[in-house]
Amino acid sequence: DAKTTQPPSMDCAEGRAANLPCNHSTISGNEYVYWYRQIHSQGPQYIIHGLKNNETNEMASLIITEDRKSSTLILPHATLRDTAVYYCIVLRGSQGNLIFGKGTKLSVKP
Amino acid sequence: DSGVTQTPKHLITATGQRVTLRCSPRSGDLSVYWYQQSLDQGLQFLIQYYNGEERAKGNILERFSAQQFPDLHSELNLSSLELGDSALYFCASSALTTSVNNEQFFGPGTRLTVL
Repeated sequence: DAKTTQPPSMDCAEGRAANLPCNHSTISGNEYVYWYRQIHSQGPQYIIHGLKNNETNEMASLIITEDRKSSTLILPHATLRDTAVYYCIVLRGSQGNLIFGKGTKLSVKP
Repeated sequence: DSGVTQTPKHLITATGQRVTLRCSPRSGDLSVYWYQQSLDQGLQFLIQYYNGEERAKGNILERFSAQQFPDLHSELNLSSLELGDSALYFCASSALTTSVNNEQFFGPGTRLTVL
């Protein structure tokens, strides 16, 4: 599976959009981009995934560049409860297990 | 609430002992995954079962073993415990292994402390 690179930490003001980048320059054509987050020591939580089109759900939006080498997770109106470690993961559609990197620690501040 | 349950929530034991962690997947999910999260190694995939059969193996030590039962619950057995086995152990479940939507639902974890 392709490796991902994320900034170790980011800050965001409450109510503003949080834009979390991820580089996955070695991604191959059949690999998806998944985002999970982990709030404190709780179990990780699925956020969103995509292949090449931009995706949106009730939690977030995922923007994938045309060459698929990078993506951005957008939390449109961050709240204090969005403070968490966010993981960008690339995996094949049929692959089950998730390979977690170090992720980005997002701190939402009042 | 993800629908995945794990017991016990906390476990304190001594080196050399053996423990069993239990996981009940979401209703209808056939795949169960085990992950270990320690301070120095982060979240690591251990093993996956699908409908009772082992499907994939990650960084699981030989001292560790798992199984999935006919009712789809799973157990992770850790033996000859060492101090370094102290960690959070998460179980996750998903509906299908070949689905392109690999949304995994994680349980709350079992915190193991080896003294």
